[in-house]
Amino acid sequence: GQNIDQPTEMTATEGAIVQINCTYQTSGFNGLFWYQQHAGEAPTFLSYNVLDGLEEKGRFSSFLSRSKGYSYLLLKELQMKDSASYLCAVRDDNKLIFGAGTRLAVHP
Amino acid sequence: DTEVTQTPKHLVMGMTNKKSLKCEQHMGHRAMYWYKQKAKKPPELMFVYSYEKLSINESVPSRFSPECPNSSLLNLHLHALQPEDSALYLCASSLRDSGGINEQFFGPGTRLTVL
Repeated sequence: GQNIDQPTEMTATEGAIVQINCTYQTSGFNGLFWYQQHAGEAPTFLSYNVLDGLEEKGRFSSFLSRSKGYSYLLLKELQMKDSASYLCAVRDDNKLIFGAGTRLAVHP
Repeated sequence: DTEVTQTPKHLVMGMTNKKSLKCEQHMGHRAMYWYKQKAKKPPELMFVYSYEKLSINESVPSRFSPECPNSSLLNLHLHALQPEDSALYLCASSLRDSGGINEQFFGPGTRLTVL
């Protein structure tokens, strides 16, 4: 079966660093995506990993370990506007399978 | 033009109505997708079109009928829906459906309410 796990909710303080973890067990793997989704809006693409290691893009970094079925999204210098849901998604062949998402609340 | 547009933004329909959702992109993408998203849940894939041909149907009930008239347009025809079909319907597109990053770009969605 397909299984993607993320924490349901996280809270953090403005200016801090937060790490959102994702573990997956899927029948196939063609890459892992992180999307950000603000309430009532469409998901927007944040990052993509297909090889093991860290990908950095400004305040956002994403890590992948394929042998462990594990990824994390690291958000630095948190801002209030980072309050959103963060969706981990695995591409299996040509389908994206989404995790349930992690709702992040950033407090002053 | 780097966006996916969807119309209408909101739709309320009865169980006997027939309506259509529309999606459009002009990024030259050849893969287009329909997702259904319930509140506080992740998007669930419904259909994938690749080069205007239906490549994936995730066992979606026949009351949902997709159509891809050309490479820029994707429709979802709705007929005899049930109240449990009320959800946000998201359209997405990507350059292709496989190989490379091919990140999906999502439209703002149509919020559907079935009475």
